[in-house]
Amino acid sequence: QSVLTQPPSVSGAPGQRVSISCTGTSSNTGAGYDVHWYQQLPGKAPKVLIYGNNKRPSGVPDRFSGSKSGASASLAITGLQAEDEADYYCQSYDSSLNSYVFGSGTQVTVL
Amino acid sequence: QVQLVQSGAEVKQPGASVKVSCKASGNTFLSSDFHWVRQATGQGLEWMGWMNPNSGDTGYAQKFQGRVTLTRNISSSTAYMELSRLTSDDSAVYYCARWEGSHWYFDLWGRGTLVTVSS
Repeated sequence: QSVLTQPPSVSGAPGQRVSISCTGTSSNTGAGYDVHWYQQLPGKAPKVLIYGNNKRPSGVPDRFSGSKSGASASLAITGLQAEDEADYYCQSYDSSLNSYVFGSGTQVTVL
Repeated sequence: QVQLVQSGAEVKQPGASVKVSCKASGNTFLSSDFHWVRQATGQGLEWMGWMNPNSGDTGYAQKFQGRVTLTRNISSSTAYMELSRLTSDDSAVYYCARWEGSHWYFDLWGRGTLVTVSS
């Protein structure tokens, strides 16, 4: 069972906006540790999409945005495209476990 | 462009050990910690541990304590992950990842190494 909770799946039509939540506890996201988001295309390694809660690495389209409030974080994808079909994972650090932790992952489907 | 090149797929018997390598191209091997993350088929990402390539210091997830060993060879810019006493539950893709120290995330990943444990 993952330390960070994500919805198993979200879907949307091309061009729509979807959002993925990531909820932690007082020992990880609620303790102020940053949340980061990764995109994993089928058969590929994860790739960082958002780091430091809301920062985009160079090359990541501005359709992707992140936010964090308290123990919860969100990844939003606006103008959904077919190429966005992938699994998305949030990640943070847990001070009680002294470990890096991931969310359970969310599969995004473009209808 | 820096890349992390991992070793090829492995098939091991239960009870055996596996050692996966991760070679960093470019001259950045000593600049960042290296972490290992695994993913069983159809499952999520699971963090295993980290290693500082300069000092050799390591840290392991509690679940893998006593079974995983992270090492490195500075001259070849290669990090290694060895997992012992394998069971079928260890069948997974194992990734090495470079750690970004300002925000504590993984900014570069290897392509992964498939380890299959089967008799």
